[in-house]
Amino acid sequence: QVQLVESGGGVVQPGRSLRLSCAASGFAFSDYGMHWVRQAPGKGLEWVAFISYDETNEFYADSVKGRFTVSRDNSKNTLFLHMNSLRPDDMSVYYCAKDHGYYYDSSGFQESWGQGTLVTVSS
Amino acid sequence: EIVLTQSPATLSLSPGERATLSCRASQSVSSYLAWYQQKPGQAPRLLIYDASNRATGIPARFRGSGSGTDFTLTISSLEPEDFAVYYCQQRSDWPPVTFGGGTKVEIK
Repeated sequence: QVQLVESGGGVVQPGRSLRLSCAASGFAFSDYGMHWVRQAPGKGLEWVAFISYDETNEFYADSVKGRFTVSRDNSKNTLFLHMNSLRPDDMSVYYCAKDHGYYYDSSGFQESWGQGTLVTVSS
Repeated sequence: EIVLTQSPATLSLSPGERATLSCRASQSVSSYLAWYQQKPGQAPRLLIYDASNRATGIPARFRGSGSGTDFTLTISSLEPEDFAVYYCQQRSDWPPVTFGGGTKVEIK
């Protein structure tokens, strides 16, 4: 059974940094691309970033490009999102999600999701 | 960037009724469209991928159709657990992937 557990959220001041983690279990983590998707309070879903199974490809939404970095540690089955220069409009629940594709054939759809971690950006 | 427009914003129906949700893309996405269900306080759940394929464990009452720019999610007979918000998502020529604004299916 796929399990994704995010952590690292909290309250942070504008301009500061935060690192989110996502611990994966129940599947061969190193064989799948992974996504981060966020949802501002009361709003819809926004895709944030993707990293391929072997870390050779990283993609970002324009809204976070240059400020956020996605990474992974396949030896520890863990996904990360490093967030710098945080802004009030980054305040959201951040979900990690397993790609629906397999290995190099990533689909772009999110097959399994964690429960999310809330990031609040406020002075 | 491809924009997805969902309609209606809110659908008020009774259990047992048929729900028809629409998603329109600003340009063709071929069949690279998915539907997700999200209940309050929960993460989204993949229902349909590639326009018409049900994800693992999704009941047959959920049906996706369409291609190009116009897509439909049909729930043939609403169960109490189906009242939720539904999002469409496209992955044509990603990145980025984009989501629609959502349709809330509420109890009438």
